[in-house]
Amino acid sequence: EVQLVESGGGLVQPGRSLRLSCAASGFIFDDYAMHWVRQVPGKGLEWVSGIRWNSETTGYADSVKGRFTISRDNAKNSLYLQMNSLKGEDTALYYCAKDRGFSDRDFYGLDVWGQGTTVTVSS
Amino acid sequence: QSVLTQPPSASAALGQKVTVSCSGSSSNIGSNFVSWYQHLPGTAPKLLIYENNKRPSGIPDRFSGSKSGTSATLAITGLQTGDEADYYCGTWDYSLSAGVFGGGTKLTVL
Repeated sequence: EVQLVESGGGLVQPGRSLRLSCAASGFIFDDYAMHWVRQVPGKGLEWVSGIRWNSETTGYADSVKGRFTISRDNAKNSLYLQMNSLKGEDTALYYCAKDRGFSDRDFYGLDVWGQGTTVTVSS
Repeated sequence: QSVLTQPPSASAALGQKVTVSCSGSSSNIGSNFVSWYQHLPGTAPKLLIYENNKRPSGIPDRFSGSKSGTSATLAITGLQTGDEADYYCGTWDYSLSAGVFGGGTKLTVL
């Protein structure tokens, strides 16, 4: 079964860090680009970051650039999002998603999504 | 404010057809593939259309997509109550070097 399972969310104080993980199974992980997408409660989907199949290129939304770092370990079929200097506006449900293409700049269609992990930034 | 513009809501009667528009620019829709997603509360988003007009396996042909210039459209025919959801368009934006989604359209089946 093709599956993505996120973990690592939780309650964190402003200014602190958190690392999200996404475990992939059921497909050849290192053939595809991967992305993080978030949804603030009551708001729409927001693309956060993407990474090429071989990690050669990454991209970030302006709202997280310089604070978040995306990475992947193809040997472990895992995607990560290191979130530093967290702000209240980072509070959201974070999804990892698989691209149909191999480049983070393809955005051919995000065809597999996890159920998401909730990040709450509050003092 | 989203880079891609969608109407916040759309509605049509059961069994009828509805279209959802997605307007962008030359740096996003005008030069990249568009995909469409259905999102029901409490569930993961589902890919409905990729590469402008292709359907993943399992998506019924009631759902179709098209693109012209810097705009894209999702059409849903034979509306069912289960189609009530939020719908999002998405693409890559070369100017921003970022993925972008529309603000979402909430579909109501009357």
